[in-house]
Amino acid sequence: DIQMTQSPSSLSASVGDTVTITCRTSQSISIYLNWYQQKPGKAPKLLMHVASTLQSGVPSRFSGSGSGTDFTLTISSLQPEDFATYFCQQSYNSPHTFGQGTKLEIK
Amino acid sequence: EVQLVQSGAEVRKPGESLKISCKGSGYTFTGYWIAWVRQIPGKGLEWMGVIYPGDSDTRYSPSFQGQVTISADKSISTAYLQWNNLKASDTAMYFCARPRQYGSSYDAFDIWGQGTMVTVSS
Repeated sequence: DIQMTQSPSSLSASVGDTVTITCRTSQSISIYLNWYQQKPGKAPKLLMHVASTLQSGVPSRFSGSGSGTDFTLTISSLQPEDFATYFCQQSYNSPHTFGQGTKLEIK
Repeated sequence: EVQLVQSGAEVRKPGESLKISCKGSGYTFTGYWIAWVRQIPGKGLEWMGVIYPGDSDTRYSPSFQGQVTISADKSISTAYLQWNNLKASDTAMYFCARPRQYGSSYDAFDIWGQGTMVTVSS
């Protein structure tokens, strides 16, 4: 299985801040990296696919980059609704493993 | 509206069997893979396996192979996740999810069910 390492595991920030979450994979996955947002008691929501393509309806303050083994999700000008847990996922090889998550909390 | 609707919460005892469901609507059910994802309370997401309802091609994560059975009934647009011998460690929220693209198993999940909470306790 491809191992996914997300960092940090938790992050405190204020409304208006810019934050970056990193995902590293144990082998190259080209650009087959997806990002999800999950709020308590809800299903995950797709934010980004193939590393940098914004899912329809997702605000442009979310951006993604990377290829190979190193990827980032950046959220600019944090809004109150952005405080949630974020997961990366590779869809290059089965099983399509997820990162352990990054919990973004209000400072 | 494209949606996946899952069956309700379940409580079982260790050793019992269980089958939970995920009904698709608003799209061609036979043309999209359906995945199952586990989330232990307070923990991360685990990809369990996928099924292609069109021909029932099924793939499992090695971590779940032999522990669960994924199936589908295309006549009623429903996918299933089944256990024959539940353990306390199976206590979790289970989500079904559908990839973005028709026919692709190697794609992000843009449609998710609401989740089914399974509690296994004596």
